[in-house]
Amino acid sequence: AQSVTQLGSHVSVSEGALVLLRCNYSSSVPPYLFWYVQYPNQGLQLLLKYTSAATLVKGINGFEAEFKKSETSFHLTKPSAHMSDAAEYFCALGVSSNTGKLIFGQGTTLQVKP
Amino acid sequence: ETGVTQSPTHLIKTRGQQVTLRCSSQSGHNTVSWYQQALGQGPQFIFQYYREEENGRGNFPPRFSGLQFPNYSSELNVNALELDDSALYLCASSPDPDTQETQYFGPGTRLLVL
Repeated sequence: AQSVTQLGSHVSVSEGALVLLRCNYSSSVPPYLFWYVQYPNQGLQLLLKYTSAATLVKGINGFEAEFKKSETSFHLTKPSAHMSDAAEYFCALGVSSNTGKLIFGQGTTLQVKP
Repeated sequence: ETGVTQSPTHLIKTRGQQVTLRCSSQSGHNTVSWYQQALGQGPQFIFQYYREEENGRGNFPPRFSGLQFPNYSSELNVNALELDDSALYLCASSPDPDTQETQYFGPGTRLLVL
């Protein structure tokens, strides 16, 4: 069965520090992987996605993620946190056999301290 | 380009009632997916509609039903509401049902069942 695990429900960093949000997946078939961000009282916005092309994926707002098949991971990073990055982040898994269905992790709340 | 819109933004119902939520897809998109996001959880896939037909369903009972119209807008209907149905309901549209396609989310409808 497919699943997504986000390690750490809350992550706190100082402004200007590295952001690292962890995501591990389980899938018996090649996965598609997504990172979405959700600001309070808003829907989800796509940050980036992996669809079997380059393993290092660059997204919006300076975020990037690296697909590591051997580690079944797709961690999200940003070199320098900004106050506006404070939000809820979701990792999601899609597989071609589950047309249209995205499986989301539980989410990680990112707090950015001044 | 108009994004995904949902109505109403908030709704309060009592147990046993029925509710209809509405979603207008982004221009050029023929696929709509619905997700339920309980408080503090990641979104869970309810079902997807593609060209007016259901195209995949998650682990939700039959009292959750949907429609897609010729203009690709969609409705989610929930009968016999239960307290656990209280959640944020998210609609997402995409240009086709392929899982690797980006799903664009609306702001959601927050449903409270008393």
